[in-house]
This record gives sequence, C-alpha cells and structure tokens, in this order.
Amino acid sequence: DTAVSQTPKYLVTQMGNDKSIKCEQNLGHDTMYWYKQDSKKFLKIMFSYNNKELIINETVPNRFSPKSPDKAHLNLHINSLELGDSAVYFCASSQLPGTSPTGEQFFGPGTRLTVL
Amino acid sequence: GQSLEQPSEVTAVEGAIVQINCTYQTSGFYGLSWYQQHDGGAPTFLSYNGLDGLEETGRFSSFLSRSDSYGYLLLQELQMKDSASYFCAVRGNTPLVFGKGTRLSVIA
Repeated sequence: DTAVSQTPKYLVTQMGNDKSIKCEQNLGHDTMYWYKQDSKKFLKIMFSYNNKELIINETVPNRFSPKSPDKAHLNLHINSLELGDSAVYFCASSQLPGTSPTGEQFFGPGTRLTVL
Repeated sequence: GQSLEQPSEVTAVEGAIVQINCTYQTSGFYGLSWYQQHDGGAPTFLSYNGLDGLEETGRFSSFLSRSDSYGYLLLQELQMKDSASYFCAVRGNTPLVFGKGTRLSVIA
C-alpha cells in the first residue's frame, strides 16, 4: 500500500525520558512534515523538510530534533519529555511546494504520546 | 502572520445541508484547502480552491472568494459518517497553516 506510516501508534512514557517516533512515506514525495495536535485538536506544524533539508522550524523547543536520513524518512526525537509534550504527533508528506496543483498533504495515522 | 477563523462546532440533521465558513488573514496566498478528520484518525484532504468560485466533489463543495478572504465547505445530504472535524488550511508562502477546526455533529 502506498501511504505514510508512523511507529509507534501509542507511546506512554515518564517525564524526563527520551523517545523517538519514526515516519516513512512510499509516495515518492520530496517534502515531509511533523505536526503536533493538542487536546483541543489544534494542528500546528513543527518541522518541514525538502529532500532531507530542513526548511521550516517553527517555535519548537530544542528538545525536539528531527532527523531525515533520506527523503522517504523523517524521524522525530524528543529529549527530556515534559507533561506538555502529551499530544498526537502526525507525520505528513507532499510533493514539493509549488509543484502540486493542490498542495495536498498525506498524513500518517498519528502517534499518541502520553507523558506521565 | 497567518490566521484562520472557523466555527468551533456545528450540529446538523441527517439528510440536511451544512456550510462551514472560514475567513483568513495571510501574507501571500495561493489557495484554501479543506481537510476532514474523524475522531482517532488522521486528517485527509477533501478539496482545494486556488481560484474564486465553487469546486464540487460529490456531496462536498468548496467555495473561495479571494477578495473577501473567505471560503466555505458545503456538505449536502448529510450522513452520520460525516460527523468529524473539518479544517480549513491556507496555502501561502509557507506550507499549510490550519484553522482550529470545526467539529460537525450529524444527528438523526
């Protein structure tokens, strides 16, 4: 199946721990994103990568570090987890901005992170 | 900066028509998208308006007026499965900026 996949789907961890979320897309897209969706369902972009190069880094704490080993993968590593990091994290991909008529983004299933 | 306004909640009866409005302020504008998200699911693309006017896709239509910085999503012949959150999103100088979403509840 062509899709965006994320692992794990659920992540429960203690404050202060370090965790990673993995994302892979097999759609042949050049651009990948990480979004955070909080309890109020507000969907906010965190990072955007074009061909493994960081394009957008919104106001996100340094504890969050994306890594793109190739254009099909964009992982998110979070250090020293805090209670406020609890949210659903979505990975997404799209064609390069400007090359798609609609700019459609394809989202992964999400990772629900709960920090205790 | 960019900001979008849409109603937080809408309730409508099965079989009816509902319109979800979206107004936006943005620096640089290419188009307005709509995404649907069911509880526990991922956002999925519904429609895109790059030009003024109405785009129709089955029971769903989307409208854009650039001069008014306004758009809407129209859902016809509502079904229970349409109960979900609907997000408008601006495509501008940066990748998509999403509104806060409208939770649509379809009741029998």
